[in-house]
Amino acid sequence: QQQVKQSPQSLIVQKGGISIINCAYENTAFDYFPWYQQFPGKGPALLIAIRPDVSEKKEGRFTISFNKSAKQFSLHIMDSQPGDSATYFCAAVSGAGSYQLTFGKGTKLSVIP
Amino acid sequence: NAGVTQTPKFQVLKTGQSMTLQCAQDMNHNSMYWYRQDPGMGLRLIYYSASEGTTDKGEVPNGYNVSRLNKREFSLRLESAAPSQTSVYFCASSARLAGGPNEQFFGPGTRLTVL
Repeated sequence: QQQVKQSPQSLIVQKGGISIINCAYENTAFDYFPWYQQFPGKGPALLIAIRPDVSEKKEGRFTISFNKSAKQFSLHIMDSQPGDSATYFCAAVSGAGSYQLTFGKGTKLSVIP
Repeated sequence: NAGVTQTPKFQVLKTGQSMTLQCAQDMNHNSMYWYRQDPGMGLRLIYYSASEGTTDKGEVPNGYNVSRLNKREFSLRLESAAPSQTSVYFCASSARLAGGPNEQFFGPGTRLTVL
């Protein structure tokens, strides 16, 4: 059972545009939602994360929007740059005592000049 | 400060061969993890070690064993490799402070091919 559904699988955006990646979850016990960025040949790296007690978190050009009632969250990349081309994974983890991150299947973003 | 290191970077095995993937972290983290990454499947947890001396199964443990050698090192062993274990393997670690987020730091990966 896939507990975190991520879409789209791939995304092509022009330089300067907005990239939007969406995730939906089922488990209401999830209480921490990180996004990871992975470049080819590298391991994933934490990009930005949010807890469900806030509806939005912004770090530079990257913003997470969170809708607790709909059990959905999304990553927005403003002014997308070719250097943002990577695979992005959303993830979720439940609270105290849990060590397991549940990952979405990933979105391959290509930003074209 | 190297973070999380993994050896080897690449490996080719024949079906039935065994091997051990090594992982070490220098961030004094308590928890360590092994994932596999397959195209279109995201990252799936194989085993994890919440703290030194403990290990637990993740989502896809069959065909693997792990050893938490000490606080720094966590190894993954394939006893009898199968083509279905062809994948990229990532090790990760986290501080996992009480009540804190489970921020995991990943190594560069081991690309394993089983023929």
